[in-house]
Amino acid sequence: GQQLNQSPQSMFIQEGEDVSMNCTSSSIFNTWLWYKQDPGEGPVLLIALYKAGELTSNGRLTAQFGTTRKDSFLNISASIPSDVGIYFCAGLTTSGTYKYIFGTGTRLKVLA
Amino acid sequence: ETGVTQTPRHLVMGMTNKKSLKCEQHLGHNAMYWYKQSAKKPLELMFVYSLEERVENNSVPSRFSPECPNSSHLFLHLHTLQPEDSALYLCASSQDRAYGYTFGSGTRLTVV
Repeated sequence: GQQLNQSPQSMFIQEGEDVSMNCTSSSIFNTWLWYKQDPGEGPVLLIALYKAGELTSNGRLTAQFGTTRKDSFLNISASIPSDVGIYFCAGLTTSGTYKYIFGTGTRLKVLA
Repeated sequence: ETGVTQTPRHLVMGMTNKKSLKCEQHLGHNAMYWYKQSAKKPLELMFVYSLEERVENNSVPSRFSPECPNSSHLFLHLHTLQPEDSALYLCASSQDRAYGYTFGSGTRLTVV
């Protein structure tokens, strides 16, 4: 079945540093979503990407829909302690019924 | 109330118990979903309801039984669960299935 591989699985960074993470697959997706999940809460949608090559920002967050439609990237600039959490990518399948496949997540820890 | 509300937030149940999880969305969306989130695994889609009809059941054991009485409410009825069913159960909704999902805060279920 379709799978999304997120990397890195986890990362420690210093406050103020920029962060990059990505999501890759052998399958093509029509839409990419990026979510953040805080402990004890459900995922919250950060950015949605609908077109190959699209680059979209939300504050300090920037995400890109890869041109091959098989990957997506999320960057966080000037990280702050509240950026701690798990970041998930999700891709909308192109075959069969519409549904989102979720990646395994990147756990981010920010050191003050 | 705004967004997607799930109750209870925490539930401990014995293997012979019957309980239900409740989800309510206040967004006017027409699709609702149940996901299971276990440690170190991707979010697993369990059920999809679109316009109050179940359109997907991802090989979920019959001890999980969903119910969608109207477009705003979704239930997950639980019966004779196993300890490996312990997880965070997330409800989500969307306006049409291709758009991003809004998640609830989840129900943390522990089966003893």
